[in-house]
Amino acid sequence: NAGVMQNPRHLVRRRGQEARLRCSPMKGHSHVYWYRQLPEEGLKFMVYLQKENIIDESGMPKERFSAEFPKEGPSILRIQQVVRGDSAAYFCASSPLTGQDQPQHFGDGTRLSIL
Amino acid sequence: TQLLEQSPQFLSIQEGENLTVYCNSSSVFSSLQWYRQEPGEGPVLLVTVVTGGEVKKLKRLTFQFGDARKDSSLHITAAQPGDTGLYLCARGDFGNEKLTFGTGTRLTIIP
Repeated sequence: NAGVMQNPRHLVRRRGQEARLRCSPMKGHSHVYWYRQLPEEGLKFMVYLQKENIIDESGMPKERFSAEFPKEGPSILRIQQVVRGDSAAYFCASSPLTGQDQPQHFGDGTRLSIL
Repeated sequence: TQLLEQSPQFLSIQEGENLTVYCNSSSVFSSLQWYRQEPGEGPVLLVTVVTGGEVKKLKRLTFQFGDARKDSSLHITAAQPGDTGLYLCARGDFGNEKLTFGTGTRLTIIP
């Protein structure tokens, strides 16, 4: 009964490097969501994906950020040329079905620190 | 932007007391989910409410969805130290899969 698995739990990068965050949804879940939580702020939606498709990326910054959910393997959130302001906790959630009342189950997040 | 306000922002009470926290919006939403988040962990789903006026109970926690579908409350009876955490409400909107989270209520129960 594994839940949503995220790795790494902690990631340290220097400014200008790339960060890759991985998310494996719960078994049987085909919908993945990424959220960002800045210090002392609430969670903000970034992107919603289904297998091989980006459905809603309205919360993604226009540059440097990308996400994918391939047919095989985990979902990846990629941040290129990281800057200090990217330091945050990044959470992935999954759900089994579509629909606004479907519960989303969260992983424990990746805490990204930019030096 | 569909804002979701939670109050109070911080609450510290003695073990055994009762408390209520609130989640309010100026616009109607289709569903509301309540989560609890502890430091260093992800939000854990407590309940989903979808029907106006709906009341759900989870042991000592009672969740209510307002009749007008613009607000919700969480009432905790006889609070215990294990209830300490950040309580987040999140709205779902018609035709939209993403959740919009409130700012949270940070609850501390003093033994």
